[in-house]
Amino acid sequence: EVQLVQSGGGLVKPGESLRLSCTVSGFRFSYGWMSWVRQAPGKRLEWVGRIKSETDGGTIDYAAPVKGRFFISRDDSKNKVYLQMNSLKTEDTAVYFCTTVTVISYFDYWGQGSLVSVSS
Amino acid sequence: DIQMTQSPSSLSASIGDRVTITCQASEDNRNYLSWYQQKPGKAPKLLIYDAFNLEAGVSSRFSGTASGTDFFLTISSLQPEDSATYYCQQFDNRPQYTFGQGTKVEI
Repeated sequence: EVQLVQSGGGLVKPGESLRLSCTVSGFRFSYGWMSWVRQAPGKRLEWVGRIKSETDGGTIDYAAPVKGRFFISRDDSKNKVYLQMNSLKTEDTAVYFCTTVTVISYFDYWGQGSLVSVSS
Repeated sequence: DIQMTQSPSSLSASIGDRVTITCQASEDNRNYLSWYQQKPGKAPKLLIYDAFNLEAGVSSRFSGTASGTDFFLTISSLQPEDSATYYCQQFDNRPQYTFGQGTKVEI
């Protein structure tokens, strides 16, 4: 059974940083692409970014609203993917989900979500 | 960017009803269209991928069809557990993943 367990999240002030982690089991992690998706309160889902497997080049892509502030990384030895969020803004307040991207076009398995609140 | 317009934003139906949700893409996305079900406080669950394909373990009550840049999610016989918000999601090779605004289904 594939499981994604997230940690991190919390309340921070604008301009501060936060890191989310996602540990994956039951999945060939080193071959898998991973993604982060967020959902602001009462809003639609929004893609944040994606990291390919090292065997596929390890390319990382970001959505425009977070490019240059958010950074995705992975540690295949620990089956973990990370989302480093810098220069946080109030509009980054959302529940953040990590997901697997087994096939390029969709998100098949999801973590439980991590709430990030940015407020002064 | 490809924009996704989903309709209706909400609907109310009865047990056993046939329900259809529509998602319109602003341009051709090669049928890279998926559907998700989300219940309050939970992560989304993949139902349909690449427009037509039922995810393993998902009830056959759910089906996906397409006509050009219009995509449809149909629930053939609505059940109490189908009460949720449904989202479409498209992919293009920029890469960009875009979700529709969601349809809340009440029973």
